[in-house]
Amino acid sequence: GENVEQHPSTLSVQEGDSAVIKCTYSDSASNYFPWYKQELGKGPQLIIDIRSNVGEKKDQRIAVTLNKTAKHFSLHITETQPEDSAVYFCAAPSFSGGYNKLIFGAGTRLAVHP
Amino acid sequence: EAGVAQSPRYKIIEKRQSVAFWCNPISGHATLYWYQQILGQGPKLLIQFQNNGVVDDSQLPKDRFSAERLKGVDSTLKIQPAKLEDSAVYLCASSYRVNREQYFGPGTRLTVT
Repeated sequence: GENVEQHPSTLSVQEGDSAVIKCTYSDSASNYFPWYKQELGKGPQLIIDIRSNVGEKKDQRIAVTLNKTAKHFSLHITETQPEDSAVYFCAAPSFSGGYNKLIFGAGTRLAVHP
Repeated sequence: EAGVAQSPRYKIIEKRQSVAFWCNPISGHATLYWYQQILGQGPKLLIQFQNNGVVDDSQLPKDRFSAERLKGVDSTLKIQPAKLEDSAVYLCASSYRVNREQYFGPGTRLTVT
C-alpha cells in the first residue's frame, strides 16, 4: 500500500523567511497530492493541491511542486507570517477496488516567530 | 457554503462505555469519510461512504466500531465498548464525489479514561 513520509517534523522560521516541507510517496499510480493546514483545535483545512499532469502550482504565498520521477512533492511558503504557524499535512492516494483513499504524512509543526 | 458539521466537539467516557459521533457533510457531497487522528499523527481513514453505501471499511475495527449513513446525508460513528487506545480526534470529511477534494469538519475529541 501507499506510504507517505514527511519531513521535517518540526520547522521554526523567522517572520518573512521561507518554509519548505517535503513528502515522498511510494505508489507510482498516485495522481493527486493535497496539502492541509491544521490549527489547534480545528480540523485540517485544504490549502493547495496538485494533480500529476502539472509540475508546479501557486496560490499567492504558497506553492506546491511535484517530481513524479523521484516520487516527491513539496510545499513552499514564502514571506511567512505568524498566522502561518500550524501543523501541515501532505497526503497521497492509495488505490483499492477502483477508489482511492488518502494516506497522510505524520505532519510538520511550523512555528513562525515575529 | 456551510462546512462539515460535527457533534459533540468533546466527549469524555470511561473504558467499556459506548459513544456516538454525528456528522453532517457539505450539501451535495456524495462521499463521506470518517478519520481517526491520534495525537501527533496524521488522520487515518476508518470508513468511506458513497451515498449510503460503504466503499472502504478495511481499517475499521469492526468488533467495536460501527458507522452508518442511512439516507445518504448525515452519518453516525459508534464505538462500543471503548478502549483507552480509542482516545483520539474523530474527523469527518466530505467530497463532491469519490477522488475529489476532501473537506474536513472540526472533529470530536474523545478521551477514554
